[in-house]
Amino acid sequence: KQEVTQIPAALSVPEGENLVLNCSFTDSAIYNLQWFRQDPGKGLTSLLLIQSSQREQTSGRLNASLDKSSGRSTLYIAASQPGDSATYLCAVKSGSNDYKLSFGAGTTVTVRA
Amino acid sequence: KAGVTQTPRYLIKTRGQQVTLSCSPISGHRSVSWYQQTPGQGLQFLFEYFSETQRNKGNFPGRFSGRQFSNSRSEMNVSTLELGDSALYLCASSFQGFGLTLGQYFGPGTRLTVL
Repeated sequence: KQEVTQIPAALSVPEGENLVLNCSFTDSAIYNLQWFRQDPGKGLTSLLLIQSSQREQTSGRLNASLDKSSGRSTLYIAASQPGDSATYLCAVKSGSNDYKLSFGAGTTVTVRA
Repeated sequence: KAGVTQTPRYLIKTRGQQVTLSCSPISGHRSVSWYQQTPGQGLQFLFEYFSETQRNKGNFPGRFSGRQFSNSRSEMNVSTLELGDSALYLCASSFQGFGLTLGQYFGPGTRLTVL
């Protein structure tokens, strides 16, 4: 069974600082890994999707890396802004005959103005 | 392209009642998955439908059921509601085919409160 862990559970930084969010998973046989953002009481917004054959993906200020062999992914957010305050979730798609996502518990980020 | 839509957005029910939630996927997506999100358990997978067939199921009691229609729209039903069913129910759609397994895209969710 795939287990996904996100550390830290919460993070508070001043505006302008770079953010580093970590995700680890136990089974390296994955199809892909996806990072999401969730604002309070809202649905999930997809940020980046990394296929198992890729090492990283970039979108604007966001960069996500994937190291399958060590079961880790890192989400970097450059020059954080108060609008980046949200919960960030990492999800891994894996399994032989199923396609469900296994989610981490998330990292709640607060960017102080 | 329009995103994933879910209706209703909010529901208040009492114990013992049943409820039906609806999800319309992104056009062209044939896979629809349902998740339950609670503060204590986080995001938990309920089930997935692909081309009107349930392809995968999580560890939820039989009170939770679903179906998918030929236009890929999906409904989820919860019977004999319990207080613990209060949660945000999220639907996600994805494109799968031609050997590709792409990302999932989520709707805004339905907030269910059971009194």
